[in-house]
Amino acid sequence: EPEVTQTPSHQVTQMGQEVILRCVPISNHLYFYWYRQILGQKVEFLVSFYNNEISEKSEIFDDQFSVERPDGSNFTLKIRSTKLEDSAMYFCASSIGDSSPFGEGSWLTVV
Amino acid sequence: GENVEQHPSTLSVQEGDSAVIKCTYSDSASNYFPWYKQELGKGPQLIIDIRSNVGEKKDQRIAVTLNKTAKHFSLHITETQPEDSAVYFCAARRDQTSGSRLTFGEGTQLTVNP
Repeated sequence: EPEVTQTPSHQVTQMGQEVILRCVPISNHLYFYWYRQILGQKVEFLVSFYNNEISEKSEIFDDQFSVERPDGSNFTLKIRSTKLEDSAMYFCASSIGDSSPFGEGSWLTVV
Repeated sequence: GENVEQHPSTLSVQEGDSAVIKCTYSDSASNYFPWYKQELGKGPQLIIDIRSNVGEKKDQRIAVTLNKTAKHFSLHITETQPEDSAVYFCAARRDQTSGSRLTFGEGTQLTVNP
């Protein structure tokens, strides 16, 4: 069964550094999402992407964040200047209909 | 915006018993309600979902019921097994065509004791 894949699985970065998290959505899906989950908390929406542009973003998704679909298969989340509070698990999801399969996540630790 | 509340936050049952987790939502425009199971260190895995034009859906030991008037939906797991132990999240979303977000509940830590 096709699945959403994410890299890296775990990244440790210094505060202030830029981070890029990568996702390969399921190939025929049209909508792409990033969510995050701070340890022990619920999953929170960051941004959705459709037709090569952001369709919705949350209040968390400020100017430090950006998304891109650079080559028609990858979907990336960039955090420009990481803060300690960006430490979380970041999940990519994609969908064509109702169902939104999630990737296994990228665990980001900012030190 | 949408607000989803989930109860209980923890649930401990004996193997073979049933488990019920309940969620309420606030946005009457929400029409899609999935349930996800999350094991430690892994991504949420969709286990069952329901649309607002359906009152109940069942898949083997798992069922979901929806009361659109009262804006609540529940997950029912029968004949629980130790491998059902995980965190379960409910979620709600408006029409998919706008790429709208899933809003998640706080999660329920289910423990099935052998």
